Amino acid sequence: DVKVTQSSRYLVKRTGEKVFLECVQDMDHENMFWYRQDPGLGLRLIYFSYDVKMKEKGDIPEGYSVSREKKERFSLILESASTNQTSMYLCASSPKRYNQPQHFGDGTRLSIL
Amino acid sequence: AQKITQTQPGMFVQEKEAVTLDCTYDTSDQSYGLFWYKQPSSGEMIFLIYQGSYDEQNATEGRYSLNFQKARKSANLVISASQLGDSAMYFCAMRENRGGATNKLIFGTGTLLAVQP
Repeated sequence: DVKVTQSSRYLVKRTGEKVFLECVQDMDHENMFWYRQDPGLGLRLIYFSYDVKMKEKGDIPEGYSVSREKKERFSLILESASTNQTSMYLCASSPKRYNQPQHFGDGTRLSIL
Repeated sequence: AQKITQTQPGMFVQEKEAVTLDCTYDTSDQSYGLFWYKQPSSGEMIFLIYQGSYDEQNATEGRYSLNFQKARKSANLVISASQLGDSAMYFCAMRENRGGATNKLIFGTGTLLAVQP
């Protein structure tokens, strides 16, 4: 089974802090994704990566950056956390073949105080 | 632009009954893929079922089936014999075609299903 592991289930940080959310997958998938999920808005793509060191902006990249130094690991960085970044963050991965499903981690509930 | 619409924010179903969750989509492409995911209250997203636009048969996976009506651009999820464990949020999604094999997905806003005993 595909395993996507997010480093924390719950995280509380202060406004202005630099926050790192880590995601690791064990299936050698080329594609990795970061989403945020807010009530009534569904899942919105922040960034994705289709290979090591490659990244593309999603629909809501402002205030975020990402890093993919190794194939299995995709990090989301909040450069200076703000209260409007309080949300559920979901990481996913998929192979680089058409119409393969994305496999998700358990999510990180991030609160910025 | 591609779009997924789920018009039912929430619904109830009695245990052991069947339920249909609606999903309509908008795309100008001929080749596309549709996915359904389940998200229990614990938060993880679980892949349920996939339908390709050129698939002639409706997809089925155990108690899940997809009622695919291409002309109407609908891809409704049918859950047969509902169980209490089916209570969850359900998301419909479509592969974004210009994303190629990156398998980027566009998600609907979800339907919250509550199964009553």
